[in-house]
Amino acid sequence: GAVVSQHPSRVICKSGTSVKIECRSLDFQATTMFWYRQFPKQSLMLMATSNEGSKATYEQGVEKDKFLINHASLTLSTLTVTSAHPEDSSFYICSARSGTTNQPQHFGDGTRLSIL
Amino acid sequence: DAKTTQPPSMDCAEGRAANLPCNHSTISGNEYVYWYRQIHSQGPQYIIHGLKNNETNEMASLIITEDRKSSTLILPHATLRDTAVYYCIAHPTNTGNQFYFGTGTSLTVIP
Repeated sequence: GAVVSQHPSRVICKSGTSVKIECRSLDFQATTMFWYRQFPKQSLMLMATSNEGSKATYEQGVEKDKFLINHASLTLSTLTVTSAHPEDSSFYICSARSGTTNQPQHFGDGTRLSIL
Repeated sequence: DAKTTQPPSMDCAEGRAANLPCNHSTISGNEYVYWYRQIHSQGPQYIIHGLKNNETNEMASLIITEDRKSSTLILPHATLRDTAVYYCIAHPTNTGNQFYFGTGTSLTVIP
């Protein structure tokens, strides 16, 4: 089945640091990737949609200058949390789908980000 | 995406069938019903999806009512590892658009 790899799985860093999270589709080409954030005991909240070779589309209320998204190839998208603060601590999850009709999204295992 | 409604929690005895309902009364003709589950501290796992016919795979069965306003995910023989939050999503599959997740059903399989 389709596999999406997300790295790192856990990050602990100091306030003010920038953190990069990678999302890779291992066995298919992902024309579109999505980034979600999940706070404890809440559902997934979509942050942005990333299309290969073009600018990401951000959901309302998500700061594009703080959450930088790059989708440089059909198998890799990155999310950089710039100048992270404790309130950015969360579980970040990516998903990917191929351009083929009727194919579901497949999710990575998430990145637990803790800002001290 | 059409709004979906699920019970917040359910229990199921180990070895028995788990039947998880989902209401999607405003679903449109081009929207599929997708089911995912999320085990604690992991990313969501795809289970199954369908348009109007019932579907079955190695994980589960999906029963969609004839009017498509509701569906049921069936785990035929629930195990402790099936304890998770189950999400039902109605979404048009012929676009690259995103999923919007509701609150899901927290299923607890009891020994």
